[in-house]
Amino acid sequence: QVQLQQSGPGLVKPSQTLSLTCAISGDSVSNNNAVWNWIRQSPSRGLEWLGRTYYRSKWYSDYAVSVKSQITINPDTSKNQFSLQLNSVTPEDTAVYYCARDGKARTFDYWGQGTLVTVSS
Amino acid sequence: DIQMTQSPSSLSASVGDRVTFTCRASESISSNLNWYQQKPGKAPNLLIYAASSLQSGVPSRFSGSGSGTDFTLTISSLQPEDFATYYCQQSYSSPRTFGQGTKLEIK
Repeated sequence: QVQLQQSGPGLVKPSQTLSLTCAISGDSVSNNNAVWNWIRQSPSRGLEWLGRTYYRSKWYSDYAVSVKSQITINPDTSKNQFSLQLNSVTPEDTAVYYCARDGKARTFDYWGQGTLVTVSS
Repeated sequence: DIQMTQSPSSLSASVGDRVTFTCRASESISSNLNWYQQKPGKAPNLLIYAASSLQSGVPSRFSGSGSGTDFTLTISSLQPEDFATYYCQQSYSSPRTFGQGTKLEIK
């Protein structure tokens, strides 16, 4: 059974960096058949896909245009996890952030528990 | 990006009712459409994938249909645990996009 466990702070100051980690159990971040994603949810934007990382003989990452200038998603094979960094945050980045696996049939079949991140001074 | 539009935005129904949710894509996505259920404070949970395939462990009262641009999710006989918000999501192209959700409330 795949489980995704998120960690990271729930409060970030404006202009600073939001950092979250998603630890994977029951699967490998290097799985050639999986894609590892970050998704956020807010009342104003709904469910918004932010980006992903995946391994296909080498590592790839790609990002939503809306956050491309401020986002980095990295795998950590030594800890079997992946991370999200969102730079220069504003109050509009306040949301519940989820990690999710894209595994079976192009679905988000496993999700982390969600982390409410508030951007406020 | 492909836009996903769900209707209605909210729906009131009673236990035992048959309910149908609609999702429309801004362009053809073949059968690359998934449905999720979300309860307050929880992550979305996959119900239906590839438009009509039931995810393992999901009750058979849930069913999906459609292809191209128009899709439906049907619950044949509502149970108390079904009151939640339902989202469609296209997996045809990147970025993956979601509908805005339909909130199912108790009448």
